[in-house]
Amino acid sequence: ETGVTQSPTHLIKTRGQQVTLRCSSQSGHNTVSWYQQALGQGPQFIFQYYREEENGRGNFPPRFSGLQFPNYSSELNVNALELDDSALYLCASSSGQGVEQYFGPGTRLTVT
Amino acid sequence: AQRVTQPEKLLSVFKGAPVELKCNYSYSGSPELFWYVQYSRQRLQLLLRHISRESIKGFTADLNKGETSFHLKKPFAQEEDSAMYYCALGSGTYKYIFGTGTRLKVLA
Repeated sequence: ETGVTQSPTHLIKTRGQQVTLRCSSQSGHNTVSWYQQALGQGPQFIFQYYREEENGRGNFPPRFSGLQFPNYSSELNVNALELDDSALYLCASSSGQGVEQYFGPGTRLTVT
Repeated sequence: AQRVTQPEKLLSVFKGAPVELKCNYSYSGSPELFWYVQYSRQRLQLLLRHISRESIKGFTADLNKGETSFHLKKPFAQEEDSAMYYCALGSGTYKYIFGTGTRLKVLA
């Protein structure tokens, strides 16, 4: 059984650019959640995908969007990057809604 | 509003001393509460959840609905307990609300 993986590990983008982050869920999990963790803060919920449908969204603007694929892997897309988007982005998978979530190692995004 | 508060950014204790990491929550429904831990250079991982009422690595946490608290306790701290601890509230069916975390340093 493989754990949650994320790619890339880190990347640097320029303000105004677009970025795609990827997450492979743990084997057997059909639910993926994305979180943003700014320096010194706890993770903040962005959205969740359950069986390829968005299942809930936090307080993030529409330029944060996502996808879930039939194999339950997921992407987080951020358009028109802003300096404040610099953070660690965490993906977590679970076998359903409202149950224990397993986190990936994160992608560190720096926007300059 | 749904909120999780961890009032201490840093807690330093000596090895063998008791530890209590505080967590208070605000939630109108029936809460699901968790403690997550992040050791140095490792990913966030579940330590315990209130529903299971178990003890993991000597840590326990009791949900006190009257005080809206879910404090994490361990009677005798060990150096390997040094880590970042996050309290999380399961909100509805789909998201966690995390506190800002408490860094625990166990001194030799």
